[in-house]
Amino acid sequence: AQSVAQPEDQVNVAEGNPLTVKCTYSVSGNPYLFWYVQYPNRGLQFLLKYITGDNLVKGSYGFEAEFNKSQTSFHLKKPSALVSDSALYFCAVRQGGTASKLTFGTGTRLQVTL
Amino acid sequence: GAVVSQHPSRVICKSGTSVKIECRSLDFQATTMFWYRQFPKKSLMLMATSNEGSKATYEQGVEKDKFLINHASLTLSTLTVTSAHPEDSSFYICSAPGLAGRGTDTQYFGPGTRLTVL
Repeated sequence: AQSVAQPEDQVNVAEGNPLTVKCTYSVSGNPYLFWYVQYPNRGLQFLLKYITGDNLVKGSYGFEAEFNKSQTSFHLKKPSALVSDSALYFCAVRQGGTASKLTFGTGTRLQVTL
Repeated sequence: GAVVSQHPSRVICKSGTSVKIECRSLDFQATTMFWYRQFPKKSLMLMATSNEGSKATYEQGVEKDKFLINHASLTLSTLTVTSAHPEDSSFYICSAPGLAGRGTDTQYFGPGTRLTVL
């Protein structure tokens, strides 16, 4: 079985400061890891993914995530937060090919203030 | 990029009626689609995997007779909530896997359908 944990229900950060949204996972075998963002009453938008290769993955809107196999983590980061980054962020894991199901974390609400 | 649409975006119905939600892959074929339900506290729950030309695979605890899924073509999957009740009110989201040959390796999500049962 695969699972994802997002330990923070909400993260608050001031605009211009760095942000981190935490994610840990559990899966047998090699993980395929994803971050998605959701704005109010909208579907999920893909941010970035780790499949293989470099542990530091760069994605959309200046976000990046670091895959740490020993800590089974895939934290989302951004050097300088924007108010427009305020949204709901989901970490997800998949075991297997593209048609395999994704397992999502419970989501972390990011609130960026001026 | 790949686009997935859902229709309707919002629906309000009376208790006891049935509601059909469509999920379409607009510029690619999807032999598999996924249906999720998002609860008010934000967690996203996989309901079922829709397979073109065969029966859907439901997750444990999901009533297959209540949530009917049909994947009639390579670009369309439908979710019908039968005899809807207020507790079925939720945000329903579908997704379709990108094709490996397109250089993608992720799922594309529809914009969601807000169902409110009165």
